[in-house]
Amino acid sequence: GNSVTQMEGPVTLSEEAFLTINCTYTATGYPSLFWYVQYPGEGLQLLLKATKADDKGSNKGFEATYRKETTSFHLEKGSVQVSDSAVYFCALRPPGGTDKLIFGTGTRLQVFP
Amino acid sequence: ETGVTQSPTHLIKTRGQQVTLRCSSQSGHNTVSWYQQALGQGPQFIFQYYREEENGRGNFPPRFSGLQFPNYSSELNVNALELDDSALYLCASSPPGQEQYFGPGTRLTVT
Repeated sequence: GNSVTQMEGPVTLSEEAFLTINCTYTATGYPSLFWYVQYPGEGLQLLLKATKADDKGSNKGFEATYRKETTSFHLEKGSVQVSDSAVYFCALRPPGGTDKLIFGTGTRLQVFP
Repeated sequence: ETGVTQSPTHLIKTRGQQVTLRCSSQSGHNTVSWYQQALGQGPQFIFQYYREEENGRGNFPPRFSGLQFPNYSSELNVNALELDDSALYLCASSPPGQEQYFGPGTRLTVT
């Protein structure tokens, strides 16, 4: 079946530190991959996406590369800010059929000044 | 352009009652998906509607049902509420095959 596994949080960093949040997936075929961010008390916002192997999604200094050989889509940012504190969700959309998203359990990021 | 809106923001219900949650999709989006997000978990897919027809369903019992209207807005109905139904319910809209845009959610508490 299809599933997403994320590293457990919380991830605690100082401002300007380098961020990596690991995400691996299991899927049949070639899924599309996404990172969503959820700020406290809010819904989900799409952060970035990649639709095929070796694609790199990027937005607001965050980036992730679709690695089919390692079934991974790790999220990275070179220098985090306090405002990046949120919960980050990795998700996949299986190919064909319903456009449903399958999410990981989320990773909480806390950035301190 | 108005984004996805949901109502109500919060509500509290008693076990055994029924609830209806509402979602207005973003302009031009004819697909609506509903998700349940329990505390500390990732969202779980409930079902999706496309042009007023159910277009896929997750692992949820029949007491979770929905509707989509000609203007593409949608309702989620839950009958015979259970304590475990307490969660944030998220609605997302999209053009077919495109990325989904989420609303702020409805926080349901069942006591």
